[in-house]
Amino acid sequence: GENVEQHPSTLSVQEGDSAVIKCTYSDSASNYFPWYKQELGKRPQLIIDIRSNVGEKKDQRIAVTLNKTAKHFSLHITETQPEDSAVYFCAAASGYALNFGKGTSLLVTP
Amino acid sequence: GAVVSQHPSWVICKSGTSVKIECRSLDFQATTMFWYRQFPKQSLMLMATSNEGSKATYEQGVEKDKFLINHASLTLSTLTVTSAHPEDSSFYICSARDVVKNEKLFFGSGTQLSVL
Repeated sequence: GENVEQHPSTLSVQEGDSAVIKCTYSDSASNYFPWYKQELGKRPQLIIDIRSNVGEKKDQRIAVTLNKTAKHFSLHITETQPEDSAVYFCAAASGYALNFGKGTSLLVTP
Repeated sequence: GAVVSQHPSWVICKSGTSVKIECRSLDFQATTMFWYRQFPKQSLMLMATSNEGSKATYEQGVEKDKFLINHASLTLSTLTVTSAHPEDSSFYICSARDVVKNEKLFFGSGTQLSVL
């Protein structure tokens, strides 16, 4: 089955700096890669996603890049704000179900 | 985004009792729903895939007789934790795919189960 690795497990940045979270996947058939943000005690919220026919996608301060050859994809958050603090999960899907990475706890300090 | 409603949001029960969790897609039809389990500070682990009108598909290591799934309509899936024990205490989250929006997956608000 699909195996998704996510790094780092924790990340601390100062407000205004950029944050980058990286994921790798094992199943070359995976074709959909969403990113979720989960605040403590709440449901995961989809923040951005990318399909395998696209190399990069951007939505305001958030961007995702995908390298199909290397089987890795990354989340980039620019101009970080304290409210960006949360756990971020990457995921990969080759069919219906998503396989999640272990998550990255992001802390943005003022 | 699409709305997925999950109830109850939290439940405390005695060991040996059964607990039913409901997951509803409010503004779209979901032929497939997914049940995840999340332990504190850990990732979401897929338990089973719920298919409308047919049997659920369980992931390896998940006991189908303990975690009963029923997906009787295009907007409702239920997970029943039978004869719950303290080790079943966890955060259970359902999710549903909006087929109109292709692969996008939306999550319910989760159910925190505590078994005493």
